[in-house]
Amino acid sequence: EAQVTQNPRYLITVTGKKLTVTCSQNMNHEYMSWYRQDPGLGLRQIYYSMNVEVTDKGDVPEGYKVSRKEKRNFPLILESPSPNQTSLYFCASFRLRGNTEAFFGQGTRLTVV
Amino acid sequence: KNEVEQSPQNLTAQEGEFITINCSYSVGISALHWLQQHPGGGIVSLFMLSSGKKKHGRLIATINIQEKHSSLHITASHPRDSAVYICAVRGNYGGSQGNLIFGKGTKLSVKP
Repeated sequence: EAQVTQNPRYLITVTGKKLTVTCSQNMNHEYMSWYRQDPGLGLRQIYYSMNVEVTDKGDVPEGYKVSRKEKRNFPLILESPSPNQTSLYFCASFRLRGNTEAFFGQGTRLTVV
Repeated sequence: KNEVEQSPQNLTAQEGEFITINCSYSVGISALHWLQQHPGGGIVSLFMLSSGKKKHGRLIATINIQEKHSSLHITASHPRDSAVYICAVRGNYGGSQGNLIFGKGTKLSVKP
C-alpha cells in the first residue's frame, strides 16, 4: 500500500531535549516536505527536499533541521525544542515529474513543556 | 494578501444539502489539490486537478485555469462529511516548482 509513515504520532517533551520525528515513504517519490499546522495559521512549510542530499528552507525553518540521505526517509530534527514549536506536524511526498497526487503522513502532535 | 484564498472559512449545513467550497489563487500553478482533514486526523488527498472537472462519489471538483478558481462540491451531504477541507496549489515557477501553497481551510459541519 502506498503510504507516508510518520512516527511518533504523539510526543510530549521538555524544552531543550533533542528529538527526531521520522518520515518514510514507499513510493520512490523525489519530493518530500515537512509542514506545521497551527490554529488560524494553516499549514506552513518548514523544509523540503527535491531529491537525495538536496534540501531547502521553507517558510518557517528556524529551530529545525532535516536530512535526506536516502530517498525514502526525511527526518525532522529539533535540536533544542522550545514551547513555540508545540504544533501538529505533517510530512508529505509526491512525484516531481507530472501532476500527481500528494500523500501525507498521519501527523505528529508535539507538545514542548 | 494570501496566494490561496478559500471561502467560506466556516460552513454549517443540514444533512442532504448541496455544499460548495471555493478556492481562488493568484500564482501560476501546475496543479491544484483538494484535501480533507477530519478532527484530530491526518490529511487525505481528495482530488488533484490541472484542468476541467473530476468526480468521486458525491464529491465533484472543478477548476477554471483562466479565472484561477476552483470549487469543491458535495452533493447530498452527510454528517460524516464534517471535516476541514483544504485547497492547495502546486507552483510552476522557478526553484519552488513543486512546492504546495495552502489555503487556510474551510471547516464544514453537517448536522443530522
